[in-house]
Amino acid sequence: NAGVTQTPKFQVLKTGQSMTLQCAQDMNHEYMSWYRQDPGMGLRLIHYSVGAGITDQGEVPNGYNVSRSTTEDFPLRLLSAAPSQTSVYFCASSYHIRGGNSPLHFGNGTRLTVT
Amino acid sequence: SQQGEEDPQALSIQEGENATMNCSYKTSINNLQWYRQNSGRGLVHLILIRSNEREKHSGRLRVTLDTSKKSSSLLITASRAADTASYFCATGVVIQGAQKLVFGQGTRLTINP
Repeated sequence: NAGVTQTPKFQVLKTGQSMTLQCAQDMNHEYMSWYRQDPGMGLRLIHYSVGAGITDQGEVPNGYNVSRSTTEDFPLRLLSAAPSQTSVYFCASSYHIRGGNSPLHFGNGTRLTVT
Repeated sequence: SQQGEEDPQALSIQEGENATMNCSYKTSINNLQWYRQNSGRGLVHLILIRSNEREKHSGRLRVTLDTSKKSSSLLITASRAADTASYFCATGVVIQGAQKLVFGQGTRLTINP
């Protein structure tokens, strides 16, 4: 049982380049989300999805796109990387229970550096 | 913002002692969750306490929630070196049917052997 798998683990981009961070889960979770973690800022929600074909913005969505074509996968796209997007990115998933109260399962993160 | 604020930011204790971390928040919540993060790894869920609950236990962990004071505490008893990690509280609110978790900045706990 792999849980939440993120690839790559590390990535270095030049300003203006694009890339996709991959996230896959094998727990049949309806809810998937992306967070970024910066020193002194905690984790901030970028985008989330409550099921295939449904996505919504979180706290810091600018500069990022997502799509959810399957239950298992939730890729995060950086269209034109900027140094401000240097961060550690975490994907997390959970059951989508009406009324909330679902713990998140996290991947091990992607460390992204934009030069 | 409903963001949890954690106190202290860093805590260093001797192995065997108890560690207490506090979390305060600003708005009504559906639940409050605690997570642990070891260096370079993803977060691991520890305990979820619902807004109508006051206390929960899991092994050496005890979490309390006081909704009137908008605060929660995490107590780790009989600490071990392996408990060294960062601990985060996260407040859960359901908006348009979806749970949104907002994380605090975390408490860095160091257990000295």
